[in-house]
Amino acid sequence: DSGVTQTPKHLITATGQRVTLRCSPRSGDLSVYWYQQSLDQGLQFLIQYYNGEERAKGNILERFSAQQFPDLHSELNLSSLELGDSALYFCASSVDGTSGGRETQYFGPGTRLLVL
Amino acid sequence: AQSVTQLDSHVSVSEGTPVLLRCNYSSSYSPSLFWYVQHPNKGLQLLLKYTSAATLVKGINGFEAEFKKSETSFHLTKPSAHMSDAAEYFCVVSDLGPDSNYQLIWGAGTKLIIKP
Repeated sequence: DSGVTQTPKHLITATGQRVTLRCSPRSGDLSVYWYQQSLDQGLQFLIQYYNGEERAKGNILERFSAQQFPDLHSELNLSSLELGDSALYFCASSVDGTSGGRETQYFGPGTRLLVL
Repeated sequence: AQSVTQLDSHVSVSEGTPVLLRCNYSSSYSPSLFWYVQHPNKGLQLLLKYTSAATLVKGINGFEAEFKKSETSFHLTKPSAHMSDAAEYFCVVSDLGPDSNYQLIWGAGTKLIIKP
C-alpha cells in the first residue's frame, strides 16, 4: 500500500459526459501528479500540482482540468468525454517534486474509466 | 527531448532462471532513471532508481540495474526469477518538459512471464 488513495475505482459513463476523479496524496507529500494509461498510448504524464499550484503540464487535453485543494487532495475533471478517453487514470504523489526529477513518485491504485 | 526504448514487449523465463529486461534511453545530459513494476490490476511500484550516484543500483525483491552511459542503457536484472515476479515492468527517464519542469517519460513496458 503506497498511501495514495484514489476514488472511485471504476467509472462507467457515456460520451459527452463529465466526470471527476479524486486523489489523496501520502501524508506530508506536497506534489500530486496525474497520469493516463491506455492501450494505444501507454503511460502519459498529464499534469503536476505542487502545494496548490500547477507546476508542470504534459499531454493534457483542453477538455481535462485539475486542481489541488488546501488539504492537498486533488481532482481531475474530464469533460465532453469521448470513447478514446477510456483508460486507467493514476495519481501519484511525492514529497515536494522540486528535486530535479530525482524524487520517487508513489502511485495510487488508479481509476478505471470506461466511456460507452 | 529524452526518450526511452524498452527493447522487448514480452520476456518469458522459467522459474529459477535469470531475468534480463532491456532499456535504452536518449539523453542530452545526465538523466535520472527508474524502473517501476505493475502487477495485474494493481498500481505502479518503484523497483529502483539511478540519480548519478553508484552506477549499479540495487532495488527491491532482488532486482538490480546498471547505468551504462557509453551504451545509453539501464537494463534490469535478477539472478533467479520467482512466480511472483510476473508483472509489467516500465523503464522511466526524468526529462525537462517544455515548461522547464521535470516530468517522467515512460517506456512502453515489458511483460515478464514466468514459466513453472
